[in-house]
Amino acid sequence: DTAVSQTPKYLVTQMGNDKSIKCEQNLGHDTMYWYKQDSKKFLKIMFSYNNKELIINETVPNRFSPKSPDKAHLNLHINSLELGDSAVYFCASSQERLRQLEGAFFGQGTRLTVV
Amino acid sequence: ELKVEQNPLFLSMQEGKNYTIYCNYSTTSDRLYWYRQDPGKSLESLFVLLSNGAVKQEGRLMASLDTKARLSTLHITAAVHDLSATYFCAVDRGAQKLVFGQGTRLTINP
Repeated sequence: DTAVSQTPKYLVTQMGNDKSIKCEQNLGHDTMYWYKQDSKKFLKIMFSYNNKELIINETVPNRFSPKSPDKAHLNLHINSLELGDSAVYFCASSQERLRQLEGAFFGQGTRLTVV
Repeated sequence: ELKVEQNPLFLSMQEGKNYTIYCNYSTTSDRLYWYRQDPGKSLESLFVLLSNGAVKQEGRLMASLDTKARLSTLHITAAVHDLSATYFCAVDRGAQKLVFGQGTRLTINP
């Protein structure tokens, strides 16, 4: 069973389009995250949700909007896609009270290419 | 602002050799994580280091944490090809935020 799963795995789209990436975790965790990995492999947090509530919102263009319908899901909507949005987006989850012991579990990533 | 720096960023070594990857961070934290990423794959948790002097070992990998020096090391003993991957350290900044180093791309040649 996949612990943190994202769909789609690959996404190729044109500039200006709106797209969504879905994430689901079956670990019973209460915190979920979105990270962006750029072409140089640098990983940076974008958002963090705890029990459906936004905790972290880093300096990310407001074209990016996370939505958490429930504790097990955190989706990422991106409006008016730009070339610079091309990256790999990772969803992750952790259990707040166990975060110290386990760290975060990551999904397999979504490679977004904007053409 | 917390900065996390790894070195080296690229490491090519022969099987059977030993080497160490270093992770320095700029502000106080007592939680540090090491992850492995294979090309095109997700991040796999290797070690969670929670206190000063913590040392953890798994197979040919050993990680340690010195919170006073703000330094963690990942030591590879008698490297084998299967250990080729990118290794990331990440420091807990608090408020549920991990700050990652740049990653060390390790290539082990037969």
